[in-house]
Amino acid sequence: DQQVKQNSPSLSVQEGRISILNCDYTNSMFDYFLWYKKYPAEGPTFLISISSIKDKNEDGRFTVFLNKSAKHLSLHIVPSQPGDSAVYFCAASGRKTSYDKVIFGPGTSLSVIP
Amino acid sequence: NAGVTQTPKFQVLKTGQSMTLQCAQDMNHEYMSWYRQDPGMGLRLIHYSVGAGITDQGEVPNGYNVSRSTTEDFPLRLLSAAPSQTSVYFCASRRATRTLYSENEQFFGPGTRLTVL
Repeated sequence: DQQVKQNSPSLSVQEGRISILNCDYTNSMFDYFLWYKKYPAEGPTFLISISSIKDKNEDGRFTVFLNKSAKHLSLHIVPSQPGDSAVYFCAASGRKTSYDKVIFGPGTSLSVIP
Repeated sequence: NAGVTQTPKFQVLKTGQSMTLQCAQDMNHEYMSWYRQDPGMGLRLIHYSVGAGITDQGEVPNGYNVSRSTTEDFPLRLLSAAPSQTSVYFCASRRATRTLYSENEQFFGPGTRLTVL
């Protein structure tokens, strides 16, 4: 039973346009959410995070939105660049869950077409 | 700082063989964890540790053992390898404590690609 879901296995976007990656979670105890980016043959690297006390967090071209009532978050990349082509993982954790485990979704593969 | 290091990078085992995947970090992080990555499944948590001497199970712990005798090292042991354990394994570490106002990113190693025949 997946607690963190990314229902789009892949996404293709034209360079310069907006990329929107979606993530849903089921566990209401989660209060901290993160996005990681992964290139082939490398470990994931942290991209951006948001805590449940906020509904938006921006870092340059990347913005994460959190809708707690819908248990949904999204990552917006504007403008998209070819170097953004990678697998993006949504992850969640909760201070009240056992030892604050970090649970990942299955990932979305983003292709940015030049 | 080397960050999180993993050895070996690649490994091929026969069914029933045992081996240990090594993981070390030099950031003095309390929290360390092991994930496996499989197509369509994302990163699944195997075991994790919040400090030396403390370990706990993640989402998919069966077939794996861990121990944490030092802050720096967190080895993952496969006692009797099975083809279902063919995967890419990632070790990660982060600071243990956080609040809703602080970052809580994990730092990942480069991974170990394991094939069990």
